[in-house]
Amino acid sequence: QSVLTQPPSVSGAPGQRVTISCTGSSSNIGAGYDVHWYQQLPGTAPKLLIYGNSNRPSGVPDRFSGSKSGTSASLAITGLQAEDEADYYCQSYDSSLSGRRVFGGGTKLTVL
Amino acid sequence: EVQLVESGGGLVQPGGSLRLSCAASGFTFSSYEMNWVRQAPGKGLEWVSYISSSGSTIYYADSVKGRFTISRDNAKNSLYLQMNSLRAEDTAVYYCARDGIAVARYYFDYWGQGTLVTVSS
Repeated sequence: QSVLTQPPSVSGAPGQRVTISCTGSSSNIGAGYDVHWYQQLPGTAPKLLIYGNSNRPSGVPDRFSGSKSGTSASLAITGLQAEDEADYYCQSYDSSLSGRRVFGGGTKLTVL
Repeated sequence: EVQLVESGGGLVQPGGSLRLSCAASGFTFSSYEMNWVRQAPGKGLEWVSYISSSGSTIYYADSVKGRFTISRDNAKNSLYLQMNSLRAEDTAVYYCARDGIAVARYYFDYWGQGTLVTVSS
């Protein structure tokens, strides 16, 4: 059971918009800690996609955007492309845990 | 270019030990906090351990506390993970990941390619 909750899967057709939710609690997202998102293409290492809730690293297309409100966050992908098919993970910081860095369970995005 | 290259994975029997290494290049290693993150086959990401830039502050996930030891050698630009009393559930790809420092905190801005650890008899 992950500390942050994500839907196991989402899907969309090319060109469509999809969103992936990430729900936490009062000791992580709700406490004001930032949410970050990673993309993991099949057979590769995770890659930073969004940091600090809504910031994109250099090279990440502006089709990817992040937001946060209360105890939840969302990743939105517009203009869906076949190459976006991957696993997506949210991550934050939890003040109640010894290690403090926590991940969501991951969401598999399928491009139909 | 930032590069993180893990090594040291392999097949080990339950109860055995293994030492993972992560060679860093392309940035001032001694200025960055570092982590190990693992991923069991077909499963999600699990944060394992953190070490501050000087090595003075260390954290572990409860699942590995008392069995794993993280360390670093800033002179050698290297991060390590000593894994003892290994269990089948420790089977995973282990990633070395750098803490980001831009705008936000507590995120991983660069990852290595990973090294596979298999615990089996």
